[in-house]
Order: sequence, then structure tokens, then C-alpha cells
Amino acid sequence: NAGVMQNPRHLVRRRGQEARLRCSPMKGHSHVYWYRQLPEEGLKFMVYLQKENIIDESGMPKERFSAEFPKEGPSILRIQQVVRGDSAAYFCASSPNGTGSFSNQPQHFGDGTRLSIL
Amino acid sequence: AQSVTQLGSHVSVSEGALVLLRCNYSSSVPPYLFWYVQYPNQGLQLLLKYTTGATLVKGINGFEAEFKKSETSFHLTKPSAHMSDAAEYFCAVTRPSGTGRRALTFGSGTRLQVQP
Repeated sequence: NAGVMQNPRHLVRRRGQEARLRCSPMKGHSHVYWYRQLPEEGLKFMVYLQKENIIDESGMPKERFSAEFPKEGPSILRIQQVVRGDSAAYFCASSPNGTGSFSNQPQHFGDGTRLSIL
Repeated sequence: AQSVTQLGSHVSVSEGALVLLRCNYSSSVPPYLFWYVQYPNQGLQLLLKYTTGATLVKGINGFEAEFKKSETSFHLTKPSAHMSDAAEYFCAVTRPSGTGRRALTFGSGTRLQVQP
């Protein structure tokens, strides 16, 4: 399967613990997006990264949340000191490389990580 | 700023009936528009997209959508519903960019039920 891979699929944490969500983009894609989906809601943009760079983090909460996309390895979304309100499905999407006006290339989504906070 | 409004959080149709899922957008520049489908416990799968050119776009699984600039709409249709179409459908918008990609802004979704 050459799609976007996210792991774990399900993650349970107690309040105050750290959650780490991983995303491996499709082969050949170097643009990664993270979205959060609260129950009964649509997806909300969190952060957009390219390799080793955060391009847009306007949707990220200012505290406890961070994201990275290192030169080697998957993109990581890290949530420190989790609270009940962090319970949600977190989706990663990737899109292809390219130059020029390429925002018409669709984003391909992973199956998400369902985070539950006890 | 962009926004997407999906009218009707739940739509129920009979198998074989017309499917119509409504999407209206707000954008200060000509948008790129997308419809995604989400099955339970899965990620989003692209159904179709509009960027430029023909305003009636055809997607997978028999779905199509028409971009109507005057109505700022991008409604999704399918002539005959199938049981397997039962899922959550999301309309999304983004802005064209010559220098970089932009994130998608999603509507709140419409859950489609198909009755036998």
C-alpha cells in the first residue's frame, strides 16, 4: 500500500501524558498537512509542513501542540500534557512535489489516528 | 478568508433515488473545490475536484458536481443512489497559489443514509 500511513490507528492516553502521532506521506510527496476532526464535525486544519520546515501553523493551538517533519522519517504531531478536549481523530494528508500553481493537486489522506483521553 | 457551508447535516434517500448534497462556499478569489467521502473509521477519499475549465466535473462512483460561480455553489449529485454510497461527505475549498500549497477548508459534512 503506497498510501498515506498513519500510526497508531488508535491511541489512548491519560490526562497529563504525551501523545505522539506519526504520518508517513505517499511516496514522492514532501508536503504534509495535519487536520483534526472533533466528533460530528468537519476537519479543521492544524499545520502544513514540508521537509524540515513548518510552512503554516495557523491552525495549531499555541500551547502543548507541536509538529515536525524531519529530513528522514515520518512527520510527527506531538501533544503534551493531554486533556480530555484533545480527544479527536487526527488526520494526515500529503500532496505531490511540483512547481508553479500546484495547489490543484489533491491531498491524499491517511486513515487517521483516533486519540482518546481518559 | 474562505468558508464552506453544507446545508443538511443528514440526508436520507431511497436506493435508486437521486442524491443531492449541497455545498456553498465563500472565497475572495476563484477557488479550487473538492468533494471527499469518508467511510466509518477511515480517512477521506477524493470524489472529484474543480480547478479550472469545465464547470461540470465527474468523479468516481458515478458522482458529479457543478461549479456555479453566480450561486457560489458546488453541489454534489448522483442520479441513482446505491447502498454503498452511505457515508459522510465533505465539501472543501482552497485558494490557488503559484508559490505554495494551501490547506483545505472543510464544511461540517453531510451524512448520507440510503434506505433499501
